[in-house]
Amino acid sequence: DTGVSQNPRHKITKRGQNVTFRCDPISEHNRLYWYRQTLGQGPEFLTYFQNEAQLEKSRLLSDRFSAERPKGSFSTLEIQRTEQGDSAMYLCASSGDSNYGYTFGSGTRLTVV
Amino acid sequence: SQQGEEDPQALSIQEGENATMNCSYKTSINNLQWYRQNSGRGLVHLILIRSNEREKHSGRLRVTLDTSKKSSSLLITASRAADTASYFCATGGYSSASKIIFGSGTRLSIRP
Repeated sequence: DTGVSQNPRHKITKRGQNVTFRCDPISEHNRLYWYRQTLGQGPEFLTYFQNEAQLEKSRLLSDRFSAERPKGSFSTLEIQRTEQGDSAMYLCASSGDSNYGYTFGSGTRLTVV
Repeated sequence: SQQGEEDPQALSIQEGENATMNCSYKTSINNLQWYRQNSGRGLVHLILIRSNEREKHSGRLRVTLDTSKKSSSLLITASRAADTASYFCATGGYSSASKIIFGSGTRLSIRP
């Protein structure tokens, strides 16, 4: 297991299109998190799963955003009808225990043109 | 919204010098963590300090936590060019299921 894997690394899409990102966490981690980061800012929390249950969603996650984690393994984040303001780095992280830090993936950089 | 605020926003020092970054936060926490991010990459966890701890060391890193002042500091000793990165503090709430909230980061540049 080489860590948290995110695909694709980069995505360029036209405004109005739908996009889906995938995150494969560390296999023994039961917690999975999605964050969004814009240039020069810290990551902003989007949503969190414990196993397959989505326990918390940020108000940043509008109804155009949906995340799933079927079977408590990998997770997908879908953005429908993309807008230019959705351009950002989308980061996924996993953890096994709240007393330890998160392991982050390298992120998916989304550019909406 | 962001819980933590790092200070300074940017720091440039000579290789070999020590670098100190500060983080202030607003609400009670269970733990505070520091992460490093190289340009365009994901974040790397550096160190976690619990609310009942005051100081923690890991290699060239030293973290302090003052819960009465709601502040933390990260000291990197004997800096190297490879330490050039952005550094973020993140705070974790009391619920075991709570997420961590990041500050806006300090951009550290090490001059050779």
